[in-house]
Amino acid sequence: DAMVIQNPRYQVTQFGKPVTLSCSQTLNHNVMYWYQQKSSQAPKLLFHYYDKDFNNEADTPDNFQSRRPNTSFCFLDIRSPGLGDAAMYLCATSLRQESSYEQYFGPGTRLTVT
Amino acid sequence: ILNVEQSPQSLHVQEGDSTNFTCSFPSSNFYALHWYRWETAKSPEALFVMTLNGDEKKKGRISATLNTKEGYSYLYIKGSQPEDSATYLCARGGTSYGKLTFGQGTILTVHP
Repeated sequence: DAMVIQNPRYQVTQFGKPVTLSCSQTLNHNVMYWYQQKSSQAPKLLFHYYDKDFNNEADTPDNFQSRRPNTSFCFLDIRSPGLGDAAMYLCATSLRQESSYEQYFGPGTRLTVT
Repeated sequence: ILNVEQSPQSLHVQEGDSTNFTCSFPSSNFYALHWYRWETAKSPEALFVMTLNGDEKKKGRISATLNTKEGYSYLYIKGSQPEDSATYLCARGGTSYGKLTFGQGTILTVHP
């Protein structure tokens, strides 16, 4: 089945130690998104790629970076995780860069910072 | 309304009950309204995407309505089953590009 896969499902990192979260998709969608959801809050868009074009949300901290080496893969890099970065990180894809298009989500990576 | 708001935050119902919840959103510059169901340990799953005022969509026992003029959408579940237990998220698209602004979700628990 075509799907969005996130690895790992659970990630524990130390304060200040760089961490990378991975997302892959078999849907061949040209748009990929990264969302952050902190406990009991709404998922919040961090950035998205439309093909190779990177679009950063204005309030996304510089500590968060992303790479998309090809259509299938997208990575979220947190350069120096703080305790406040502990959250669920969701990857999503869509066929087109329009908000009327359905987004397909992975199961998320839960990040713990110790 | 400045943000997307969902109510109630949580809901407990008995199997067989019908239930509904609300998503309120800014009505200006509206582009689309999404509903997702998110079961524990699984991926959020799209239920509906609605764009037109007065839209009504149905999938099995679940239906949704949209009022873009007043800025709200209702999600209805008829004859709730334990497998309907999940977090239901709504999200508003306010521009043509794919940014969605999510609500906090309604956590539904259906007791057998």
